[in-house]
Amino acid sequence: DIVMTQSPDSLAVSLGERATINCKSSQTVLHNSNNEHFLAWYQQKPGQPPKLVIYWASTRESGVPDRFSGSGSGTDFTLTISSLQAEDVAVYYCQQYYTTPLTFGQGTRLEIK
Amino acid sequence: QLQLQESGPGLVKPSETLSLTCTVSGGSISSGSHYWGWIRQPPGKGLEWIGSVYHNGDTYYNPSLKSRVTTSVDTSKNQFSLKMTSVTAADTAVYYCSVSRELYNPLHYWGQGTLVTVST
Repeated sequence: DIVMTQSPDSLAVSLGERATINCKSSQTVLHNSNNEHFLAWYQQKPGQPPKLVIYWASTRESGVPDRFSGSGSGTDFTLTISSLQAEDVAVYYCQQYYTTPLTFGQGTRLEIK
Repeated sequence: QLQLQESGPGLVKPSETLSLTCTVSGGSISSGSHYWGWIRQPPGKGLEWIGSVYHNGDTYYNPSLKSRVTTSVDTSKNQFSLKMTSVTAADTAVYYCSVSRELYNPLHYWGQGTLVTVST
């Protein structure tokens, strides 16, 4: 199984400041077929299902504000929120869909400082 | 836009079988353009992929659960289902159904989830 490890486990950031969440995969998720990284980020608010935010490591899902961005390559990836808003408080998960079993990181809880 | 809704018993006794159904609207399961999946989340914990099924019945399971899990589709009802046998308290979780455009694609849409508690 590909193990996904996120850091930190929790993060407190002031409104308007940058939030950065990291994700490391135990093996590459770069697929030779299309030269894409099979890596997604999800946002989960309390009592709600996860919502897709970023896929192919850096493609923003339709309707997601442009303050959200994804980057990285190989085995190291980052989700950045450029200017934290109150509605961004949530738990964020990375996920690899390179191979089955599909696996998720343990989650990073993002709060307002 | 596809919409998914889970349904099934909220309480299952230990050693019995958990059965859930996901009803799809906004699209047809038989169109053959999506993979239909199940993910679970124990209270206060992270996400675990259970498995996925294609419209033709092809299935893909998490090896950690494969011996106890079956997924299937009912194209006539536009539904897909999950059965998990011999449940224990460790199977208590919110169960989500989801959909991706290909098996190795992100999970674009999710149901709201349904809490299943395993208890006497």
